[in-house]
Amino acid sequence: GESVGLHLPTLSVQEGDNSIINCAYSNSASDYFIWYKQESGKGPQFIIDIRSNMDKRQGQRVTVLLNKTVKHLSLQIAATQPGDSAVYFCADRVTSYGKLTFGQGTILTVHP
Amino acid sequence: NAGVTQTPKFQVLKTGQSMTLQCAQDMNHEYMSWYRQDPGMGLRLIHYSVGAGITDQGEVPNGYNVSRSTTEDFPLRLLSAAPSQTSVYFCASSMGGGSYEQYFGPGTRLTVT
Repeated sequence: GESVGLHLPTLSVQEGDNSIINCAYSNSASDYFIWYKQESGKGPQFIIDIRSNMDKRQGQRVTVLLNKTVKHLSLQIAATQPGDSAVYFCADRVTSYGKLTFGQGTILTVHP
Repeated sequence: NAGVTQTPKFQVLKTGQSMTLQCAQDMNHEYMSWYRQDPGMGLRLIHYSVGAGITDQGEVPNGYNVSRSTTEDFPLRLLSAAPSQTSVYFCASSMGGGSYEQYFGPGTRLTVT
């Protein structure tokens, strides 16, 4: 079946660096995408979302880029901090189903 | 607002036992859902509800039942626990009506021996 997946399961960066977490999706009917952050022992927390009629959306220190041509989604975190260390999930939604499908997650580790 | 609350936080069951995981939200959200999270598997949808009295199956519904008698509560029942149901369970809610930002509870860690 079609699913959302991540290219890299782990990412280690130095404090202050910019981080890029990638996600590939296979369903061309997906029209909405979300990034979640999950800290150890907690539930996922919403970071940012983007609709398929957009290529880029910016939040506070985070930017999501959507490339529909190659079905690729990325989350950019500027000036990464130790508090950004967590597992990051992307998820997509297909209009006709109305439910979110989550990817496996990427572990981001930020070294001081 | 308390947001999404789940009880219990931890539970150990023997194979064949039944139990109910509780989930409540005080945000008047229409949409509620249950996920399980296993290592390396991400979050998988078990059941969901688009409003009181309406439920539907997700990706992995077998072995679980749900009901939605009120907007606030969405309990998940394990009918006869199996070791394969050892997992962390998350409940989530969202406004619905085009808003898909889901708010997650803190999770219930379930172990079936």
